[in-house]
Amino acid sequence: GESVGLHLPTLSVQEGDNSIINCAYSNSASDYFIWYKQESGKGPQFIIDIRSNMDKRQGQRVTVLLNKTVKHLSLQIAATQPGDSAVYFCAENIRIQGAQKLVFGQGTRLTINP
Amino acid sequence: NAGVMQNPRHLVRRRGQEARLRCSPMKGHSHVYWYRQLPEEGLKFMVYLQKENIIDESGMPKERFSAEFPKEGPSILRIQQVVRGDSAAYFCASSKQGPHTDTQYFGPGTRLTVL
Repeated sequence: GESVGLHLPTLSVQEGDNSIINCAYSNSASDYFIWYKQESGKGPQFIIDIRSNMDKRQGQRVTVLLNKTVKHLSLQIAATQPGDSAVYFCAENIRIQGAQKLVFGQGTRLTINP
Repeated sequence: NAGVMQNPRHLVRRRGQEARLRCSPMKGHSHVYWYRQLPEEGLKFMVYLQKENIIDESGMPKERFSAEFPKEGPSILRIQQVVRGDSAAYFCASSKQGPHTDTQYFGPGTRLTVL
């Protein structure tokens, strides 16, 4: 859903562990979802996407799960590495007033502990 | 294949001045999007353009902000008579097709500071 001006949720994991980042989206009509990674001082970097006709998609060390029933999206990162430390955003493609646009979630800050 | 390019990376303006932010999309991409990001927040959609046309400007403030994507050259986001509240990171993204069917790739952003 729409991002709000709140302090970012934070997730801390040990290096080598798996991490799961969750996102609730707002519009049941949304049919395309994307996860982005944003490192400090940089632009969002595409990680993985999924369309609504799927419930799971895998990439390299990442898996996205989509539960349309409860409008929930998650990003699983396997065997986390220090370079995974960043803020992760989910985005949904929705139709508002006849136009399609990406709406970003609030973001989750992932910190990897050595 | 160069990614989305934005310049300047950092821009400092005094209140009342104009800010011009430039974005060159990835090669072969004709769809450009502008977003604004405040610290500790997600990106907020501002405007979507296709060559020479504004497709959706529902996220643009009604005054002082404008955007263009000319036939030749980069897309420009223009902020007139800047105020302190305009201080933010402005990101441009591009896609080969429209937002419904294609991934948007982001540039490094322009960080605007208004003194």
